Amino acid sequence: SQTIHQWPATLVQPVGSPLSLECTVEGTSNPNLYWYRQAAGRGLQLLFYSVGIGQISSEVPQNLSASRPQDRQFILSSKKLLLSDSGFYLCAWSSSRYEQYFGPGTRLTVT
Amino acid sequence: AQSVTQLGSHVSVSEGALVLLRCNYSSSVPPYLFWYVQYPNQGLQLLLKYTSAATLVKGINGFEAEFKKSETSFHLTKPSAHMSDAAEYFCAVIPNRDDKIIFGKGTRLHILP
Repeated sequence: SQTIHQWPATLVQPVGSPLSLECTVEGTSNPNLYWYRQAAGRGLQLLFYSVGIGQISSEVPQNLSASRPQDRQFILSSKKLLLSDSGFYLCAWSSSRYEQYFGPGTRLTVT
Repeated sequence: AQSVTQLGSHVSVSEGALVLLRCNYSSSVPPYLFWYVQYPNQGLQLLLKYTSAATLVKGINGFEAEFKKSETSFHLTKPSAHMSDAAEYFCAVIPNRDDKIIFGKGTRLHILP
């Protein structure tokens, strides 16, 4: 069966520090991968999606970036965090069946 | 623009009462429709999906949803609420085959003892 992992589970970082969140999927190949953010009291905001290695589409201009160095690995990064980057970050994958499956999430607090 | 609307950001029901969470979508063709549940500090879990087969879809935890094309609705129901159903619920739609999934803003379900 397929599983999706995210780490770390929680992270507290100062403003201006770098960020790296990792997501990996097991049990499937060539998945579509997604990064979402949930800010407090708000819905899901799609940040990036990827249909293959090295293929990244950005949905919202911001100081975040994403990379897909391997088929089942998706990384969310920032060179300098802002207070507004705080939130709950969710990684998800999908196959040709269209529904998305989500990881457990990373709670990021920027102080 | 294609969209999905969830009516009510908060819904409260008594334990044992009917749960009804409303979702309406806009799409020019029969869409794919989904309901997800999110418990605090967890990821989203797929409850059920409609992909143009039976219009009444049964999901996990006793939930079901009915696709009504004439009303462009996909409301989520459960006959008897449990305390463990307290969570946030998201309706989502893929309007056309090649579109990305669109999520509603979510409805937080509160269960009253």
